[in-house]
Amino acid sequence: QSGLTQPASVSGSPGQAITISCTGTSSDIGGYNHVSWYQHHPGKAPKLMIYEVSNRPSGISNRFSGSKSANTASLTISGLQVEDEGDYYCASYRSANSWVFGGGTTLTVL
Amino acid sequence: QVQLVESGGGVVQPGRSLRVSCAASGFTFSSYAMHWVRQTPDKGLEWVAVVWYDGSIKYYADSVKGRFTISSDSARNSLYLQMSSLRPEDTAVYFCARDWAYGFDYWGQGALVTVSA
Repeated sequence: QSGLTQPASVSGSPGQAITISCTGTSSDIGGYNHVSWYQHHPGKAPKLMIYEVSNRPSGISNRFSGSKSANTASLTISGLQVEDEGDYYCASYRSANSWVFGGGTTLTVL
Repeated sequence: QVQLVESGGGVVQPGRSLRVSCAASGFTFSSYAMHWVRQTPDKGLEWVAVVWYDGSIKYYADSVKGRFTISSDSARNSLYLQMSSLRPEDTAVYFCARDWAYGFDYWGQGALVTVSA
């Protein structure tokens, strides 16, 4: 089975809002509310930004928000800042006790 | 604070074995399920395996089932991934990660495993 589908790249200007989509199937995103999002800078540990579709861990800015509709989840970053640049991955629990990731989206803040 | 530190990566020939370890600190290790996730240049992040908080249940990705074994040692606050019959496509940075609400709330920095003749 293949992974979740994300756009390869997105970009935006400081202060703008962007949305990254993540499309799966009824066996993962559509079937469970166990969708999470990660920010990753090469050479560093990935950082949890959103869990259970729309929950923010302590310390994560409220500029980051998550949602889900059917088999597609979305991460929205509002008020873009230069430090938001990096790679973003979605992940979901999948039936039969496994987890699946998206291919990653590179965010560029112009 | 929570810390996860991987070790044991290196270069190994195809068909050989290697064990990577993850030392945990800053939390009650025996209360959490733990995962291994790997990152390859081509495929991005790929979930590898999970072990339940008490070590009783383990699940694996199809790509490693029968070749990799995940284990944990609560006395040593450590997580392990024993990899055998290694293939070039197993070349990746291997991260350990703590489970949180079916996601991964803390990650290590990763250990590079290169499978090459």
